[in-house]
Amino acid sequence: QVQLQESGPGQVKTSQTLSLTCTVSGGSLNSGDSYWSWIRQPAGKGLEWIGRVFRSGATNYNPSLETRITISIDTSKRQFSLKLSSVTAADTAVYYCARERAYYYNSATSNWFDSWGQGALVTVSP
Amino acid sequence: QSVLTQPPSASGAPGQRVTISCSGSSSNIGSNTVNWYQQLPGTAPKVLIYIDNQRPSGVPDRFSGSKSGTSASLVISGLLSEDEAYYYCAAWDDSLTGVVFGGGTKVTVL
Repeated sequence: QVQLQESGPGQVKTSQTLSLTCTVSGGSLNSGDSYWSWIRQPAGKGLEWIGRVFRSGATNYNPSLETRITISIDTSKRQFSLKLSSVTAADTAVYYCARERAYYYNSATSNWFDSWGQGALVTVSP
Repeated sequence: QSVLTQPPSASGAPGQRVTISCSGSSSNIGSNTVNWYQQLPGTAPKVLIYIDNQRPSGVPDRFSGSKSGTSASLVISGLLSEDEAYYYCAAWDDSLTGVVFGGGTKVTVL
């Protein structure tokens, strides 16, 4: 059973860069059917997909955040990371890392998040 | 404003059936499969249904999913108090090249 754990500063100052790392255990980041994703949830609000990285380093980002995001992977360390620059109070949220299983069949994308970290609260303050 | 549209709330008495709808478009639900997540208070979401109607092992068969065109539904049959939670639908969107979520539905057991 793969397990994920987020780590990083719980507070970031406005205009600085938020950095989080997700450490994976019980599974390989080299799996060909998995992406490694970041999702966030502001207090009292819904889920927002941030982006994902494949074992090769290929990424997909949420278009609304794309100019500020970098997601990278280090398979040797069993880690993948998120950097979000120029943060504001609107970026205050619980940040989850997750494994995304992805398959393609008959031109349809089938993907789902089957394992999640417990979440890390990041607060942006002046 | 979420790309996928869900009702903000749903409720039912214990033992009753609750249906949650999720409406999308041709670029997401109309082209790709739908997943449903359950989020209990203070916890990370957990996948309940994947590929439209598949249940992971350990998920009770009281939970079922279906899809037709650009809409999907989650049905909870035989509602239990432990089913009080938020439920989110999600799918890949070909136009946005990313995952889109519904706004979430809070299920209350009366």
